[in-house]
Amino acid sequence: EAQVTQNPRYLITVTGKKLTVTCSQNMNHEYMSWYRQDPGLGLRQIYYSMNVEVTDKGDVPEGYKVSRKEKRNFPLILESPSPNQTSLYFCASGTSSGTDTQYFGPGTRLTVL
Amino acid sequence: GENVEQHPSTLSVQEGDSAVIKCTYSDSASNYFPWYKQELGKGPQLIIDIRSNVGEKKDQRIAVTLNKTAKHFSLHITETQPEDSAVYFCAAYNFNKFYFGSGTKLNVKP
Repeated sequence: EAQVTQNPRYLITVTGKKLTVTCSQNMNHEYMSWYRQDPGLGLRQIYYSMNVEVTDKGDVPEGYKVSRKEKRNFPLILESPSPNQTSLYFCASGTSSGTDTQYFGPGTRLTVL
Repeated sequence: GENVEQHPSTLSVQEGDSAVIKCTYSDSASNYFPWYKQELGKGPQLIIDIRSNVGEKKDQRIAVTLNKTAKHFSLHITETQPEDSAVYFCAAYNFNKFYFGSGTKLNVKP
């Protein structure tokens, strides 16, 4: 089954404790992306990757890091989380530049205390 | 950067009626406009999209129109059904980035 998986699905942590949210897709997609969803703000793109070893900033990259060492994986790293990063996070993947169907993962609910 | 505005934020219709959601964008370089449906507890799912060289696209009960001159695009759902109840997002794409609207919560009353 074609899918995007994220782990963990729920995470409660404390300010400053480094964390990683994993994302994996099994569709051999080149384009992968991370979004955060906050009430009233829709989805905002954090980082995206056009292919292995090619990453770039989205609209709200501050406080986040990503890496793309393998085509299927695109982890999101918060090196020093703060309460304003409490949000619902989605990973997505799509073909080529992304201008085709983007498949979204189920989401990761992050709470930073 | 791009700015996408979406209206209304909530929309309530009777089953069988039509629903229209409107979005405007600011950057004329945007060239791809997808619409997503998000059900409670799930990730967004693409329902229809349109590219800047097309004015209208239909898929059964769903249609999208694009006016490049006015920089706005709309989602039209006809013969609404209770299962259409969800949050809908529009988005604009340019230079490899996506910009989303703030979402419309559609409630279809049986």
